[in-house]
Amino acid sequence: DAGVIQSPRHEVTEMGQEVTLRCKPISGHDYLFWYRQTMMRGLELLIYFNNNVPIDDSGMPEDRFSAKMPNASFSTLKIQPSEPRDSAVYFCASRLSGGKTDTQYFGPGTRLTVL
Amino acid sequence: GNSVTQMEGPVTLSEEAFLTINCTYTATGYPSLFWYVQYPGEGLQLLLKATKADDKGSNKGFEATYRKETTSFHLEKGSVQVSDSAVYFCALNQGAQKLVFGQGTRLTINP
Repeated sequence: DAGVIQSPRHEVTEMGQEVTLRCKPISGHDYLFWYRQTMMRGLELLIYFNNNVPIDDSGMPEDRFSAKMPNASFSTLKIQPSEPRDSAVYFCASRLSGGKTDTQYFGPGTRLTVL
Repeated sequence: GNSVTQMEGPVTLSEEAFLTINCTYTATGYPSLFWYVQYPGEGLQLLLKATKADDKGSNKGFEATYRKETTSFHLEKGSVQVSDSAVYFCALNQGAQKLVFGQGTRLTINP
């Protein structure tokens, strides 16, 4: 199993530019989560999907952030326009519903730097 | 709302020392409790979990017991190794899907 795949691993951009982060969940998993990690705020859940449908986006900081999941094997998190305060590590995670486990499996993260 | 409080780091120990990282929580109902570990440059990995009071989760020599009376889930290991150097996160599940994380504790083990 390849695990959760995220791309790019590192992104450096200038303020005002559009940034798109990508995630491929573990095959067969029906939940997908986007998190943001910063020194000041720790790990925050931004949004999660179930069967490609957004269920809770209450953690999305503002309208500049949007997330989509067009199919079961791909999701994007877009920031437009980006700002320096968006600099963080963004993690994607997936899990399989049912069974005895509620474990989320995390990708390696995308380190975003907005200059 | 639900929250998790971890002991502040960083924590620095010598190899073979005993490790305790404290974690307390505030929650309604009976959440599952987790410890995740993050090695440098990597994502979070589940280390262990417990789903009900008095359960003990264990993995790779680490243990934590779900204590409802003290609302705690402290992480322990009897003899740490240099390879245990990482950031450790305590977490609980809020509702069916949301994980609420503590701030993380950075652990460094010196040879």
